[in-house]
Amino acid sequence: GAVVSQHPSWVICKSGTSVKIECRSLDFQATTMFWYRQFPKQSLMLMATSNEGSKATYEQGVEKDKFLINHASLTLSTLTVTSAHPEDSSFYICSARDPLSSGSSNEQFFGPGTRLTVL
Amino acid sequence: AQSVTQPDIHITVSEGASLELRCNYSYGATPYLFWYVQSPGQGLQLLLKYFSGDTLVQGIKGFEAEFKRSQSSFNLRKPSVHWSDAAEYFCAVGNNAGNMLTFGGGTRLMVKP
Repeated sequence: GAVVSQHPSWVICKSGTSVKIECRSLDFQATTMFWYRQFPKQSLMLMATSNEGSKATYEQGVEKDKFLINHASLTLSTLTVTSAHPEDSSFYICSARDPLSSGSSNEQFFGPGTRLTVL
Repeated sequence: AQSVTQPDIHITVSEGASLELRCNYSYGATPYLFWYVQSPGQGLQLLLKYFSGDTLVQGIKGFEAEFKRSQSSFNLRKPSVHWSDAAEYFCAVGNNAGNMLTFGGGTRLMVKP
């Protein structure tokens, strides 16, 4: 149980285009999903917290107009990188909380990540 | 603010040798602590977690970690390392609201044959 998928697993796009990344909880309902960014050989940095049916909460320094997050259902959150530029190239990882299984342990289940390369 | 420090960026051990990866955290209340492993180009897999109870926690793949409040540490150990353990390891601390999972910088483990 508690499987999280991401699509696509990798994407290459031209500078100036927009890219949408999907994060799905396959066997549970995720009221909260998280989006992280990971640069090569670095740690994960939380970008935003996405709650179903409400606006995402962005971390300091993350441009909400550039990284659009939508969490329209309990099993799907999307991250759209608008007008992508080469500096947006990174590994994007989502995670989801299952309020039924994680309980007080605060566990997040992670997707496999999406590698974005902007040319 | 919560923070996590993993002092060792790289560690190399021989296959069959024991392993200890260090993790120190800063958190104002009782922390929720996690160890994750990441293979190249992959997502994160949870090895083990601690939020209460026995301070020695057993995880998957033969890993264990010990929570030491007095030292603000949550070091990961394995008695005998296998070549397949070569990966990046992340320690993380979370709050009890379910958000704000803060990761350490990671430790890259290499295993010599």
